[in-house]
Amino acid sequence: GAVVSQHPSRVICKSGTSVKIECRSLDFQATTMFWYRQFPKQSLMLMATSNEGSKATYEQGVEKDKFLINHASLTLSTLTVTSAHPEDSSFYICSARVVVGDTEAFFGQGTRLTVV
Amino acid sequence: GENVEQHPSTLSVQEGDSAVIKCTYSDSASNYFPWYKQELGKGPQLIIDIRSNVGEKKDQRIAVTLNKTAKHFSLHITETQPEDSAVYFCAANWVGAGGFKTIFGAGTRLFVKA
Repeated sequence: GAVVSQHPSRVICKSGTSVKIECRSLDFQATTMFWYRQFPKQSLMLMATSNEGSKATYEQGVEKDKFLINHASLTLSTLTVTSAHPEDSSFYICSARVVVGDTEAFFGQGTRLTVV
Repeated sequence: GENVEQHPSTLSVQEGDSAVIKCTYSDSASNYFPWYKQELGKGPQLIIDIRSNVGEKKDQRIAVTLNKTAKHFSLHITETQPEDSAVYFCAANWVGAGGFKTIFGAGTRLFVKA
């Protein structure tokens, strides 16, 4: 299957700082990437859908000024958690969908964010 | 709204036994049903999938069945091994006017006892 690489796998930051998470499709082009948040022992919660070259579509209740998403190329999307607070601590996961026609999406390894 | 229900939430089996996880979806436009395995601290990994024009698919010890009429699909793992222990998520996908959508089930924590 296709490979999606997510970095970093873990990050610890201080309250008030910003953190950037990268999601790359290594062997395919992804017109659409998705960002999820996962709380302990819970399912994946879609935060936003990112389309290359256009603004991300955020799910209800997700602050777009807090979670900045950039999808500048067909192989890279970034999520920046701005002015992070302890309640932003979570597991963030990206997934990428292949270019045309396919409904399959492949997931990155996830990023464990801890805000202290 | 769209919904995917997954049962059971926890499943404990003896090594060598079979495990079955069931999901029900609400939107009849769903046309692709992947199953993911998630190990602790890692992202979900696609283990098997089925499309709406197929009733059953098998890959070694893993099989998935789909009943479109009843909107049910199930994951079957035979001859379970301790390394099968993980959280399993079902999902229902479709491409509609609003774009590509995925709805995940709540997950099933599988324990395989040696």
